[in-house]
Amino acid sequence: EAQVTQNPRYLITVTGKKLTVTCSQNMNHEYMSWYRQDPGLGLRQIYYSMNVEVTDKGDVPEGYKVSRKEKRNFPLILESPSPNQTSLYFCASTRLAATNEKLFFGSGTQLSVL
Amino acid sequence: TQLLEQSPQFLSIQEGENLTVYCNSSSVFSSLQWYRQEPGEGPVLLVTVVTGGEVKKLKRLTFQFGDARKDSSLHITAAQPGDTGLYLCAGGLISSGSARQLTFGSGTQLTVLP
Repeated sequence: EAQVTQNPRYLITVTGKKLTVTCSQNMNHEYMSWYRQDPGLGLRQIYYSMNVEVTDKGDVPEGYKVSRKEKRNFPLILESPSPNQTSLYFCASTRLAATNEKLFFGSGTQLSVL
Repeated sequence: TQLLEQSPQFLSIQEGENLTVYCNSSSVFSSLQWYRQEPGEGPVLLVTVVTGGEVKKLKRLTFQFGDARKDSSLHITAAQPGDTGLYLCAGGLISSGSARQLTFGSGTQLTVLP
């Protein structure tokens, strides 16, 4: 089954404790992206990647890191989480071949930073 | 400032009623997508419109892209409880790298009461 898998689904942590949210897709997609979703603000892009070893900042990259060492994986790293990073996070992927390909989203990771 | 403004933000209606959700911007988009998101899940693509004035129908859902490609609407006829969810519009921008970047609206939370 074609899917984007995020882990964990729920995460509660404390300020300053490094964490990683994993994202994996099995569709051989070149493009992967991370979004955060906050009430009234919709989805805002954090980072995206157009292929292995190619990453770029989205609209709200501060406080986040990503890496793309393999095509299927795109982890999101919070080196020193802060309470304002409490949010619902989504990973998504798509092919780059067509300009109007749909984004496939994971089921989300609800992060709470205390 | 949200690039894509959706209205209304919340909508609660009775089963069988009709409704329209709007997505407006001052920017021109190459394409406009509509997603539906259910609790605990990521957004799922409903439709993509790419031509100004284009109308697409998906059963009881009708999607329209404005002539100037700055706005879009989603009309639901005879709404059913299964239509309940968060509806997100997303405008496609072509970056200098020719990778499609999506800008999401803030969403419309629709509740259809039986």
